Amino acid sequence: EPEVTQTPSHQVTQMGQEVILRCVPISNHLYFYWYRQILGQKVEFLVSFYNNEISEKSEIFDDQFSVERPDGSNFTLKIRSTKLEDSAMYFCASSGGQGAGDTQYFGPGTRLTVL
Amino acid sequence: AQSVTQPDIHITVSEGASLELRCNYSYGATPYLFWYVQSPGQGLQLLLKYFSGDTLVQGIKGFEAEFKRSQSSFNLRKPSVHWSDAAEYFCAVIRGFGNEKLTFGTGTRLTIIP
Repeated sequence: EPEVTQTPSHQVTQMGQEVILRCVPISNHLYFYWYRQILGQKVEFLVSFYNNEISEKSEIFDDQFSVERPDGSNFTLKIRSTKLEDSAMYFCASSGGQGAGDTQYFGPGTRLTVL
Repeated sequence: AQSVTQPDIHITVSEGASLELRCNYSYGATPYLFWYVQSPGQGLQLLLKYFSGDTLVQGIKGFEAEFKRSQSSFNLRKPSVHWSDAAEYFCAVIRGFGNEKLTFGTGTRLTIIP
């Protein structure tokens, strides 16, 4: 069964450093998402991406964040200058182009620790 | 703004007992509703979803959920839990206008005792 993959599984970085989290969505999907989950809190939406542009973003997704689909398979989340409060589990998800309410499939997550 | 409430933070159930996890949503129209499960160290796996039609939906691993419009609820049930069901369960909604963001509840952690 096709699945979403994410690398790395765990990333440790120093405050102020740039990080890039990588995702490989399911191959025929058209919509891509990033969510995050701070330890002990609920999963929060960050951004959605379709047709090579951002379709929606949350208040969390400020100028420090960017997303890119550099080739036909990868979908990346960049945090330009990490802060302590960026420490969280980051989930990538993808969904197909079948219309409203299509199911989002999640990757296993990348745990980001900012020191 | 739409919201999702899971009133039970932590539930403990004996193996073999029945289970019901509560979920209430706040939204003017009927959203599309989902239950996801997260095992320790794992990603989010879809258990089931409701878009329209029959208000009782069947999912994987023996789970089912019932949509009740009058109560704005979408409770998850299982008649007999197994030790492997211990996990975090999240209810989520989308507005249904397209492939849009999921809004998650705070989750219910399920512990199974022998």
